[in-house]
Amino acid sequence: NAGVMQNPRHLVRRRGQEARLRCSPMKGHSHVYWYRQLPEEGLKFMVYLQKENIIDESGMPKERFSAEFPKEGPSILRIQQVVRGDSAAYFCASSTLQQGANYGYTFGSGTRLTVV
Amino acid sequence: DAKTTQPTSMDCAEGRAANLPCNHSTISGNEYVYWYRQIHSQGPQYIIHGLKNNETNEMASLIITEDRKSSTLILPHATLRDTAVYYCIVRVRTYGGSQGNLIFGKGTKLSVKP
Repeated sequence: NAGVMQNPRHLVRRRGQEARLRCSPMKGHSHVYWYRQLPEEGLKFMVYLQKENIIDESGMPKERFSAEFPKEGPSILRIQQVVRGDSAAYFCASSTLQQGANYGYTFGSGTRLTVV
Repeated sequence: DAKTTQPTSMDCAEGRAANLPCNHSTISGNEYVYWYRQIHSQGPQYIIHGLKNNETNEMASLIITEDRKSSTLILPHATLRDTAVYYCIVRVRTYGGSQGNLIFGKGTKLSVKP
């Protein structure tokens, strides 16, 4: 049973370009969470989605960031017009309703975004 | 969510027990204590959680004080592979609600030395 799959593992973008980060949750998981980790800091919650719905986006920056989790396919975190301050590791996690309540989430290995 | 306080860093000799403390003096009655760890460059990994009773699994033991204001994660025989940042998190046990989101602090950087 494959874990949470994130791709790409590493992404380099020039300032002003768009970054698309993909997350395929574990099989059977319908809840997805995105976290950002700036260098030398802890993980910060960004957004929580269920299939086709955004449940909590209180951690998302107001501009340039968006997330979706369509009925079919992976969850996408999109960052438009990237700036150097967006350079970070972005982690995706998934859970079932039951697992999320009892144990929390299963995390992927992350995407490291570097903006040059 | 209640805030937690952990030491910034700790060292432990390989083969010895690693005891990682956490203070959560404002924890609410319906909040659980969770421990995760993050090995360098990887995503966080669930270790253990508990409400008020001590818990043990194949990875670690969790000791929660009777007043629930602090807890200790115990790795009984630390190995070099246990070198990681350990996060103590308190959260409600909720089904599908955003109040159950994991809020990570800075954690404790545990270095296991040969």
